[in-house]
Amino acid sequence: NAGVTQTPKFRILKIGQSMTLQCTQDMNHNYMYWYRQDPGMGLKLIYYSVGAGITDKGEVPNGYNVSRSTTEDFPLRLELAAPSQTSVYFCASSPGTGGDSNQPQHFGDGTRLSIL
Amino acid sequence: GDSVTQMEGPVTLSEEAFLTINCTYTATGYPSLFWYVQYPGEGLQLLLKATKADDKGSNKGFEATYRKETTSFHLEKGSVQVSDSAVYFCALSDRNTGNQFYFGTGTSLTVIP
Repeated sequence: NAGVTQTPKFRILKIGQSMTLQCTQDMNHNYMYWYRQDPGMGLKLIYYSVGAGITDKGEVPNGYNVSRSTTEDFPLRLELAAPSQTSVYFCASSPGTGGDSNQPQHFGDGTRLSIL
Repeated sequence: GDSVTQMEGPVTLSEEAFLTINCTYTATGYPSLFWYVQYPGEGLQLLLKATKADDKGSNKGFEATYRKETTSFHLEKGSVQVSDSAVYFCALSDRNTGNQFYFGTGTSLTVIP
């Protein structure tokens, strides 16, 4: 089972460049999430989606954009990379069905991004 | 708003020692509670969960009991191994906030032989 797959695993960008972090899941989950994890810190929610065509901001959305055209894919876009966006980015998904709060999130292995 | 507070790390233990990592939470409703583990260079993996008061989650020798009266979900293991070295995250999911997850800051555990 592939689960949640993120690409690339590592990337170095120059200030001002743009890129898209890819995330795909094969579990037919409705909910998908993007987090960033800074060194020694917990996870901060960037954006999330409760289904195809529906996205919403999390705690730290500035400088990022997302789209959800299919159930499987939830790409995260950085338009103008800044050093403050150096972080490890995690994509996650969960079934999110029926209003239950007891469904765990499944995580990808992360994308390690450095902005220089 | 909802939040999770974990004990500060890092924690260093000798092999076979007893482990406790404290976690307390604040929630508007009746959340589900989770412990995740993150090994170096990997994503978070679900370790255990509990969905209502007095439930005990358990997995791989780890346990945590959902205590509504103390709003706590402390992680315990009776005898840690070197392979348990990782970062542990406490988290909650609250139906009242659209099933968003709230994570603690993580506690790094190192087990030495």
